[in-house]
Amino acid sequence: GAGVSQTPSNKVTEKGKYVELRCDPISGHTALYWYRQSLGQGPEFLIYFQGTGAADDSGLPNDRFFAVRPEGSVSTLKIQRTERGDSAVYLCASSLTSSRAGANEQYFGPGTRLTVT
Amino acid sequence: ELKVEQNPLFLSMQEGKNYTIYCNYSTTSDRLYWYRQDPGKSLESLFVLLSNGAVKQEGRLMASLDTKARLSTLHITAAVHDLSATYFCAVPRSGGSYIPTFGRGTSLIVHP
Repeated sequence: GAGVSQTPSNKVTEKGKYVELRCDPISGHTALYWYRQSLGQGPEFLIYFQGTGAADDSGLPNDRFFAVRPEGSVSTLKIQRTERGDSAVYLCASSLTSSRAGANEQYFGPGTRLTVT
Repeated sequence: ELKVEQNPLFLSMQEGKNYTIYCNYSTTSDRLYWYRQDPGKSLESLFVLLSNGAVKQEGRLMASLDTKARLSTLHITAAVHDLSATYFCAVPRSGGSYIPTFGRGTSLIVHP
């Protein structure tokens, strides 16, 4: 079946602008995660949704970052007043669930490369 | 705070050789994940290790988990060029959400 998809694949924006990044998870996956990956680093957790609600947003770096998942499927990561330091690859992943009972294997999307000039 | 450390971070090896990548983590966990990432691509799940002593093998890669030592190894046997990639281990935080913390990755280059 279809994997996790993310749009756009690349986004170039000017400092101070607002951007939205979209993630479409695997159908039926209730858990959705956003990560940020800088060059030479592993993915860094941003926020996790279980269904429609943000179950853990402890990784969001500041209040310029916000994410929603209104119908429990597609999610949008929103970044206000972008800064050059926000430049990175933003990865989305989904899993069937996120509990001790399951393997919680995450399936990653191709990512959105964000460049803030 | 959970810390996940991989070593080496960079590995250059010849085809046909064997090598092991190590993943140490700082707090108790009952599971560990290994991922592969090709340049410019996303992460692909390789192994899910769910218990102490778990060993999984796929082709020339074999992963093991020792939860008491808080150590996982990814062993490469008779490396081939197609294995060139970055390999990440990830360990879930404790608590209910099982959000993984990733290591920095091991960048592997296999030379002919």
